[in-house]
Amino acid sequence: QQPVQSPQAVILREGEDAVINCSSSKALYSVHWYRQKHGEAPVFLMILLKGGEQKGHDKISASFNEKKQQSSLYLTASQLSYSGTYFCGTEGAGGTSYGKLTFGQGTILTVHP
Amino acid sequence: GAVVSQHPSWVICKSGTSVKIECRSLDFQATTMFWYRQFPKQSLMLMATSNEGSKATYEQGVEKDKFLINHASLTLSTLTVTSAHPEDSSFYICSATYRGQETQYFGPGTRLLVL
Repeated sequence: QQPVQSPQAVILREGEDAVINCSSSKALYSVHWYRQKHGEAPVFLMILLKGGEQKGHDKISASFNEKKQQSSLYLTASQLSYSGTYFCGTEGAGGTSYGKLTFGQGTILTVHP
Repeated sequence: GAVVSQHPSWVICKSGTSVKIECRSLDFQATTMFWYRQFPKQSLMLMATSNEGSKATYEQGVEKDKFLINHASLTLSTLTVTSAHPEDSSFYICSATYRGQETQYFGPGTRLLVL
């Protein structure tokens, strides 16, 4: 089942912060975050594994709550280059889900000067 | 590192013709490749999973006779859209991963327009 992302869209001014949430109805092994610019392929941001720590680099970080089957992506001091559609991809725990990602519907982030 | 290429990037074809899309891992051996389809303003939908040397595993609702996948080597997978129709027009993206790696590395995508 497709994970649910919220919000559907966010509009920010440069320097503002944003949080994007990803929620799944099934047990997860990992959560992957990608950013896609219009007309381009998704670009990998980070992966969070079950039992792993919160990840982050520069001003983008993410957390993974395994019990709640939720992940959040945190963007701080946003830059114009952060604009795009953010997707979470979830990998189910065990069974035939191994290695396969199911993507959320996406969150459109727009950063204005 | 971990670069994936796709060819062609754009293809326009007539209804009824077949189109082949190539996905290559340039600097690593891809044990698994995935094929996705993305319609405008929608999410990526997994079509099939391809492991080198074995038959592809298709997702529910994806016609295996229409979307032929061949993973002939550790660096190349091909998707052939047979007898393409306008409703097959979409953005097709492949991704690849290798043994011990959790991350999927995406190709730049192929935009298919069937007239």
